[in-house]
Amino acid sequence: DVKVTQSSRYLVKRTGEKVFLECVQDMDHENMFWYRQDPGLGLRLIYFSYDVKMKEKGDIPEGYSVSREKKERFSLILESASTNQTSMYLCASNPGVAGNSPLHFGNGTRLTVT
Amino acid sequence: GNSVTQMEGPVTLSEEAFLTINCTYTATGYPSLFWYVQYPGEGLQLLLKATKADDKGSNKGFEATYRKETTSFHLEKGSVQVSDSAVYFCALPDTGRRALTFGSGTRLQVQP
Repeated sequence: DVKVTQSSRYLVKRTGEKVFLECVQDMDHENMFWYRQDPGLGLRLIYFSYDVKMKEKGDIPEGYSVSREKKERFSLILESASTNQTSMYLCASNPGVAGNSPLHFGNGTRLTVT
Repeated sequence: GNSVTQMEGPVTLSEEAFLTINCTYTATGYPSLFWYVQYPGEGLQLLLKATKADDKGSNKGFEATYRKETTSFHLEKGSVQVSDSAVYFCALPDTGRRALTFGSGTRLQVQP
């Protein structure tokens, strides 16, 4: 079974702090994604990556950056956390280039910015 | 681009009731369609999928049929249990990206 592991289940940070959310997958998937989940808005794509060192902006990249130094690891960075970034963050991965593959999700990180 | 619309919740049912959660989509061509489930405190899990028109996906007593005539992929279960209480998401491939686009989710609450 594919395992996607997010390093923290809950985080509480202060406004202005730099925040790192880590995600590791163990199935050698090419593609990795960061979504945020908010009530009534579903899941929105923040950033994604198809390969090491590669990154692309999703639909809501403002205030975020990412890093993919190794194939199995994809980090989401909040450069200067703000209260409107309080949310559930979900990491996901899938294989291949066809674009029809299901996503495998981690358990999520609930971030609170105070 | 591709998009999906699903019914708003919450949906509250008694145990053993019949469940339908509506999902309609807009897409170019005939992409795969997915239903995901999110139990409290967890990430999303793939519940079922269908890869072409008229396919029926099924898992854990849930079913959904890919209907191109009505561009729908409604989720059904004949007899829900308390353990089915969760949030359900309909999804399809993103336009031009390897990600998925999700509906806003439907919360199901099953009462004993």
